[in-house]
Amino acid sequence: TQLLEQSPQFLSIQEGENLTVYCNSSSVFSSLQWYRQEPGEGPVLLVTVVTGGEVKKLKRLTFQFGDARKDSSLHITAAQPGDTGLYLCAGANAGGTSYGKLTFGQGTILTVHP
Amino acid sequence: ETGVTQTPRHLVMGMTNKKSLKCEQHLGHNAMYWYKQSAKKPLELMFVYSLEERVENNSVPSRFSPECPNSSHLFLHLHTLQPEDSALYLCASSQGGSFAAEQYFGPGTRLTVT
Repeated sequence: TQLLEQSPQFLSIQEGENLTVYCNSSSVFSSLQWYRQEPGEGPVLLVTVVTGGEVKKLKRLTFQFGDARKDSSLHITAAQPGDTGLYLCAGANAGGTSYGKLTFGQGTILTVHP
Repeated sequence: ETGVTQTPRHLVMGMTNKKSLKCEQHLGHNAMYWYKQSAKKPLELMFVYSLEERVENNSVPSRFSPECPNSSHLFLHLHTLQPEDSALYLCASSQGGSFAAEQYFGPGTRLTVT
């Protein structure tokens, strides 16, 4: 069974601060996705990283995939209250299936105070 | 707008009731998923349909019964549920054959079993 350990579970910061969320596993994934979920809604896909060492930027969000494709990080610069939500990482293993099977981390609840 | 819709958004049912959750995807995908999201737990994959055929059933109790009449629609039929089944039920879809396995989620149905 593949597991994804996500940390920290909770993060409460002031507007303007920087933060990093980590996602770690002992397993190799073919790709890794980050989602953001607001209360009462479903997760929304933010980014997919595929290549070991890959870095992707989405405005103030920077996503990195580890060289060995076992871990990933999400860094937010100058956090804003609108960044508040649940952040989920999910690793994909496409081998041998005709569909995508994701392993989800437990999530990080981020609260950004004005 | 994610392209995946779910109805109803909220459902309260007694343990002896029978109800159904509906999911519809407008993305032209060929794989659909049911997940259960409970507090303090990672997303739990319940069922996967690929090309309208059930390909995964992750030890889900028989009181949950999925149905996929075509590639755009997915149902979850519920009967004689237990209070511990109260959770957010999420539907997702993806394009099979994509190793990136990006899944797109609906807004979820918040189910409360009384």
